[in-house]
Amino acid sequence: SQKIEQNSEALNIQEGKTATLTCNYTNYSPAYLQWYRQDPGRGPVFLLLIRENEKEKRKERLKVTFDTTLKQSLFHITASQPADSATYLCALSRSGGGADGLTFGKGTHLIIQP
Amino acid sequence: DGGITQSPKYLFRKEGQNVTLSCEQNLNHDAMYWYRQDPGQGLRLIYYSQIVNDFQKGDIAEGYSVSREKKESFPLTVTSAQKNPTAFYLCASNSRLGNYGYTFGSGTRLTVV
Repeated sequence: SQKIEQNSEALNIQEGKTATLTCNYTNYSPAYLQWYRQDPGRGPVFLLLIRENEKEKRKERLKVTFDTTLKQSLFHITASQPADSATYLCALSRSGGGADGLTFGKGTHLIIQP
Repeated sequence: DGGITQSPKYLFRKEGQNVTLSCEQNLNHDAMYWYRQDPGQGLRLIYYSQIVNDFQKGDIAEGYSVSREKKESFPLTVTSAQKNPTAFYLCASNSRLGNYGYTFGSGTRLTVV
C-alpha cells in the first residue's frame, strides 16, 4: 500500500539556522508533491508544489527538492524564525493527475528556538 | 476575498444522531474534498467531488455521506453508522487540473457527547 513517512518527532532548531524536513514515500509514482504548513486548530496552508520532472523549487526562504529515484523530498527553511514554528505536512497526489485528492504524511512539528 | 467557509467551528453530537457539516467556497473551483484529522495522524480522505452532481469515496467513506448539488457547496453528513466520529474535519477545494495547491477551510471540530 502507499505510504508516506515524515520525521515523527519534533524538530528543534536555533533561530537563524536552516531547518530541513524529510518526506519519504513508498509504492507511489506521484505526478507532484506538495508541502503545507498547519498551525494548531487551523486548516493547512499551501506552501510549495514540485512536479516529478523538477529537481528543486524555491519561494523566498523556502526550498523543496524532489528525488524520484530515492522517493524522497527535502523541505528547507533558511534563516529560520520563531514564527516558522508549526507542523509541516508533505502530500502526494493519489493518482498521476492528482484530481482525486492528496495523501498526507503525519507531519513534522518544527520548533524554532529564539 | 475568495476562500472556503466551514461551519460550525465546533459541533457536539449525541450518540445515534446524524449531523451535517457545511462547506462553501467562492473560488470557482471544480473539485472539493473532505478530510478527517485525528491527533498525531495524517489527514485522511473521506469523499471528493470533481464536478457538480458527482462524487467519489475516499479512503474512509464508511459512515459518511455527501452531496454536490451546487458548485459552491459540498456538505458532509456524519451518520450514526460512523462509530468513532470525534475528529477535526477539513474541507478543501482545488481547480480540477489538480496540480495546484489545495485551499483548506478552517475546520470543524466534532465531538460525541
